[in-house]
Amino acid sequence: GAGVSQSPSNKVTEKGKDVELRCDPISGHTALYWYRQSLGQGLEFLIYFQGNSAPDKSGLPSDRFSAERTGGSVSTLTIQRTQQEDSAVYLCASSFDRDTEAFFGQGTRLTVV
Amino acid sequence: QQQVKQSPQSLIVQKGGISIINCAYENTAFDYFPWYQQFPGKGPALLIAIRPDVSEKKEGRFTISFNKSAKQFSLHIMDSQPGDSATYFCAASMTGNMLTFGGGTRLMVKP
Repeated sequence: GAGVSQSPSNKVTEKGKDVELRCDPISGHTALYWYRQSLGQGLEFLIYFQGNSAPDKSGLPSDRFSAERTGGSVSTLTIQRTQQEDSAVYLCASSFDRDTEAFFGQGTRLTVV
Repeated sequence: QQQVKQSPQSLIVQKGGISIINCAYENTAFDYFPWYQQFPGKGPALLIAIRPDVSEKKEGRFTISFNKSAKQFSLHIMDSQPGDSATYFCAASMTGNMLTFGGGTRLMVKP
């Protein structure tokens, strides 16, 4: 595709439910990143993938958060037992490699009610 | 711990004026300092970036000034236009695109 694609664009879920957010990176990009943007915390780094492995998971806020990447392409961010404080826009970005320009998707707006 | 502090939070500039946004960082291991522009409903987009081996970088109307000793860097937007109205984020990293972002500056350029 022409850019980083994220789905769904909006997600409303009930507290305690699990959610999966999907990211389709730009074709050929080996590096993939998840960030979270919220009013209270600004833009926060969550996790970095190089290929299918995640050398840096330091930003995941709790063990309720996990992510995987398959085939060196699509990535899924899973939040288990969602809490209201998980409400935010979850942004995915990809880059050709770790040190080249990262391109962001439009994000998934998650609302936990 | 907020490692990158950005100011001001909001800025109003007249068309044709100069917009200046400042950032300060704490971690001397940072070696990559990008600025991102974000429009409502969109993801951030890289505007311009600098590494600490230079003190200034200019691309069109956008200039980054970098002061390593003061651990500060700033974005200057010359001849500001209404189309520049957006939120701007500074960021810093030790490793590629694992970025620590500033809090953002909402810029409004009045016609």
